Amino acid sequence: DAGVIQSPRHEVTEMGQEVTLRCKPISGHDYLFWYRQTMMRGLELLIYFNNNVPIDDSGMPEDRFSAKMPNASFSTLKIQPSEPRDSAVYFCASSLGGGPGYIDEQYFGPGTRLTVT
Amino acid sequence: AQKVTQAQTEISVVEKEDVTLDCVYETRDTTYYLFWYKQPPSGELVFLIRRNSFDEQNEISGRYSWNFQKSTSSFNFTITASQVVDSAVYFCALSEAQEGSGAGSYQLTFGKGTKLSVIP
Repeated sequence: DAGVIQSPRHEVTEMGQEVTLRCKPISGHDYLFWYRQTMMRGLELLIYFNNNVPIDDSGMPEDRFSAKMPNASFSTLKIQPSEPRDSAVYFCASSLGGGPGYIDEQYFGPGTRLTVT
Repeated sequence: AQKVTQAQTEISVVEKEDVTLDCVYETRDTTYYLFWYKQPPSGELVFLIRRNSFDEQNEISGRYSWNFQKSTSSFNFTITASQVVDSAVYFCALSEAQEGSGAGSYQLTFGKGTKLSVIP
């Protein structure tokens, strides 16, 4: 079975440019998560979706960041305009989710390494 | 608020030694889940184990074992007879599950990670 797929794997862009990161979750998973990893702050949850609906975006750093999930098999994270401090590895993860008092594990994609110069 | 502390930033061991990675967590919920993930030098995050708060039984999987102790809020990870391929950053994570709400919070709070280097 294919795991979580992310593209591109590496992105280098200039400050002020728009960046779009893409994710395809594991088929059948109802939850999709976007994380950011930096040396200073570690792994941070940015936003997550349940059945394509954003549930919690409190981790999104500012209005320059937006995420969408138009269908069950595709999500995007967009940064516009990008800044050097956005340089990080961005991970997408998916999960079956769970139920009352039950949480499934999350499976992560390979990540997108973003460098903003 | 939930919090995960991995006090060991870096550990180096010689191949075949046993090594224990510590994880201490904080949560107000009675129902929660703990996880360990491995991040090898290639960068991906690999799921290792999930444990719920009502199951304190220790778990063993090959050379890996986990010791969950609610009394000390710890979920430690031991690698027996370490190998060079075990070299990676290991993350402990916590997720709170709200019973009866229809859904858990599903947010994983990660520790800062422990970088393990196994020297041949």
